[in-house]
Amino acid sequence: GAGVSQSPSNKVTEKGKDVELRCDPISGHTALYWYRQRLGQGLEFLIYFQGNSAPDKSGLPSDRFSAERTGESVSTLTIQRTQQEDSAVYLCASSLGQGLNQPQHFGDGTRLSIL
Amino acid sequence: AQSVAQPEDQVNVAEGNPLTVKCTYSVSGNPYLFWYVQYPNRGLQFLLKYITGDNLVKGSYGFEAEFNKSQTSFHLKKPSALVSDSALYFCAVRDGGSQGNLIFGKGTKLSVKP
Repeated sequence: GAGVSQSPSNKVTEKGKDVELRCDPISGHTALYWYRQRLGQGLEFLIYFQGNSAPDKSGLPSDRFSAERTGESVSTLTIQRTQQEDSAVYLCASSLGQGLNQPQHFGDGTRLSIL
Repeated sequence: AQSVAQPEDQVNVAEGNPLTVKCTYSVSGNPYLFWYVQYPNRGLQFLLKYITGDNLVKGSYGFEAEFNKSQTSFHLKKPSALVSDSALYFCAVRDGGSQGNLIFGKGTKLSVKP
């Protein structure tokens, strides 16, 4: 597709379960970002991948959160032992390189609800 | 540390009137500034950016933004608002001395009434 694709669009799960969120970036985009958007809040940076470099994990809120990316393609964000405070929209973005002037292109997000 | 402030949670304007959504920033190096718009249940869409050059930047959907270095501001403007402009607007900054993620403001909800 032409844009960033995220799946699932909605996920409802019970507290304590693990969840996996998927992001397909725009083809050719070497940079990929994950953000979290809580209800009524701005975006919190989670993690950043650039090519084959080591990811910037500085925004991950706890060790329950992890993410992987295979080369310059799909990324998965995993949340283990989910808590109610994990409920949020998780947004993925990609950009053409890490250049400072490159805008980020966002997917529509995964709305995660923890019961 | 980098930061962005959007002092208004909500802005209300009448259709056809000019609109301004405010943003101020703080960075240690040269600022790279962006505006994004978010419609309900959608991701963010890029509107415009300031890197260098003219202080008035033109973007998508008739929006423009004015960079003011002395006031560390980057306010979003449109001469004549449309009802369809109603959405959530985010200002973001990247520090020219760093790499990676954008720092976002908390967002401003724009409501345009007929």
